[in-house]
Amino acid sequence: AQSVAQPEDQVNVAEGNPLTVKCTYSVSGNPYLFWYVQYPNRGLQFLLKYITGDNLVKGSYGFEAEFNKSQTSFHLKKPSALVSDSALYFCAVRFLTGGGNKLTFGTGTQLKVEL
Amino acid sequence: ETGVTQSPTHLIKTRGQQVTLRCSSQSGHNTVSWYQQALGQGPQFIFQYYREEENGRGNFPPRFSGLQFPNYSSELNVNALELDDSALYLCASSADRGRGYEQYFGPGTRLTVT
Repeated sequence: AQSVAQPEDQVNVAEGNPLTVKCTYSVSGNPYLFWYVQYPNRGLQFLLKYITGDNLVKGSYGFEAEFNKSQTSFHLKKPSALVSDSALYFCAVRFLTGGGNKLTFGTGTQLKVEL
Repeated sequence: ETGVTQSPTHLIKTRGQQVTLRCSSQSGHNTVSWYQQALGQGPQFIFQYYREEENGRGNFPPRFSGLQFPNYSSELNVNALELDDSALYLCASSADRGRGYEQYFGPGTRLTVT
């Protein structure tokens, strides 16, 4: 079965410090991996994706993610956190189903950036 | 903001009733996926429509059904509502069944079943 795990329910970080939100996956074949962010009472916003190529992927709002095949991980990172980054972050993996495709999401990690 | 819109924003229904949620996809996208996000959980895939046909379904009962129209907008219908159907329903559009392409989400419809 294909799955995504986000081991931390919440991550706290001080503004200006680097942040990491962890994600590990289990999928047969080559994974397509995504990060989304959700602000209160809003839908999900796309941050970045890994399909193939460079293991370090750069996305929106200064976020980046590192694909590590040997560790089956796709951690989200940002060199300097902002208070406005406080939100709910979801990692997702895409796989085909019945000719279509779907995203399987992790349970989410609440990021809290404090002054 | 994405170009995906959903209506209504909120609604309250009684157990046993039926509900229809609507979604307009982003310009140029021909694929619509629906997800259910229960409180405190990640979105769960309901089904996907591509060129007006169902193109993949998650682990949801048949009382969850959908339609896609020629302009690629979509509806999610839920019959015989249950209390556990209370959730945020998200619509996502993408190009070419989403293969390799990101899905763009609408703001969601918050459904409360009493």
